[in-house]
Amino acid sequence: LAKTTQPISMDSYEGQEVNITCSHNNIATNDYITWYQQFPSQGPRFIIQGYKTKVTNEVASLFIPADRKSSTLSLPRVSLSDTAVYYCLVGPASGGSYIPTFGRGTSLIVHP
Amino acid sequence: GAVVSQHPSRVICKSGTSVKIECRSLDFQATTMFWYRQFPKQSLMLMATSNEGSKATYEQGVEKDKFLINHASLTLSTLTVTSAHPEDSSFYICSARVELAGDNEQFFGPGTRLTVL
Repeated sequence: LAKTTQPISMDSYEGQEVNITCSHNNIATNDYITWYQQFPSQGPRFIIQGYKTKVTNEVASLFIPADRKSSTLSLPRVSLSDTAVYYCLVGPASGGSYIPTFGRGTSLIVHP
Repeated sequence: GAVVSQHPSRVICKSGTSVKIECRSLDFQATTMFWYRQFPKQSLMLMATSNEGSKATYEQGVEKDKFLINHASLTLSTLTVTSAHPEDSSFYICSARVELAGDNEQFFGPGTRLTVL
């Protein structure tokens, strides 16, 4: 299983763009990268998933360089409600053997 | 997206009692369900993986006789914490996986806060 490394914490201010980078040096060819958001005392919530280049949805963008050894979650114009822990997971998008394992995550605090 | 529910959302029990937590996939059939435990300010720790109709696979260090997992149907898995002690107090989260058009989709429940007095 590809191990992931993220910054433990980040601070930002309302209205700023936040970029959280995740390292996954031993990502496999068939692995996808998935980001989750977790608020205190809640289950993780899916944010975005990608395989290569750039993926964008209504809440975030995911940038993946050509070597796929890292990925960056970009949150545009954060608000106080984006204060949460963000996890990146790496694993195959298909097949029954994948076991989603969480790393330490990045605790994002958005200040007024 | 698909919904995974957990019941109860929080439970307080006395030391030595057993507590059952239910995890249901409400609008899909889950091929696999996972149980996690999360202590304050820590990440989710995988406890076990269960497939419908078969025995759960427990992670190293997780006592299978203490944390009983039953996965009787494709929409329901239960975790029973037997003879609970204060150190079992934690946030328990289940996750259900379904394969849609060949792709895995993973959905998480809202979690259950267990407090053992």
